[in-house]
Amino acid sequence: KQEVTQIPAALSVPEGENLVLNCSFTDSAIYNLQWFRQDPGKGLTSLLLIQSSQREQTSGRLNASLDKSSGRSTLYIAASQPGDSATYLCAVPVIKAAGNKLTFGGGTRVLVKP
Amino acid sequence: EAQVTQNPRYLITVTGKKLTVTCSQNMNHEYMSWYRQDPGLGLRQIYYSMNVEVTDKGDVPEGYKVSRKEKRNFPLILESPSPNQTSLYFCASSFPGQIQETQYFGPGTRLLVL
Repeated sequence: KQEVTQIPAALSVPEGENLVLNCSFTDSAIYNLQWFRQDPGKGLTSLLLIQSSQREQTSGRLNASLDKSSGRSTLYIAASQPGDSATYLCAVPVIKAAGNKLTFGGGTRVLVKP
Repeated sequence: EAQVTQNPRYLITVTGKKLTVTCSQNMNHEYMSWYRQDPGLGLRQIYYSMNVEVTDKGDVPEGYKVSRKEKRNFPLILESPSPNQTSLYFCASSFPGQIQETQYFGPGTRLLVL
């Protein structure tokens, strides 16, 4: 059974510092890995989806890397801003499960201090 | 604008009083799911639907019902709510196929059962 872990559970950085968020998974047979942002009262917003054949995916200040062999993905956020404060979740689809079921990590709560 | 909407966003009710949380998407997605999010347990799938009139149980279906009479709507029904169903609920939708498809989540419904 796939398990997804995110460490640390919480992170606090000063504005301008680069953020590095970690996600690890136990079964390397994944289709893709998706990073989400969760804001209080605003649900989950998809940030990046990185396919199993890709090594990295970029969108603006966000860069996600994927190393299937080691079961790890890293989300980098460059030059952090207070508006980046949120909880970040990673998720992988459950192989052969109907309905596009996702297995989520527990999330990393990020606070960017002005 | 592509979106998944949920109503109500906040709900306080009492044990045993039937309630329905609505979910609607405007992206013509075949797949829809309900998840609940609890501290320490993360997000867990309750029910999913692969198309109209096709629904199935997820990981934690006890105490819940769903229906899919129209493609855009996927209501979650709690016929006799209990305090252990106090949680944050998310509806999600996507096209079929886990390999490439991003999942879209609603803003969440926070439910308190007294």
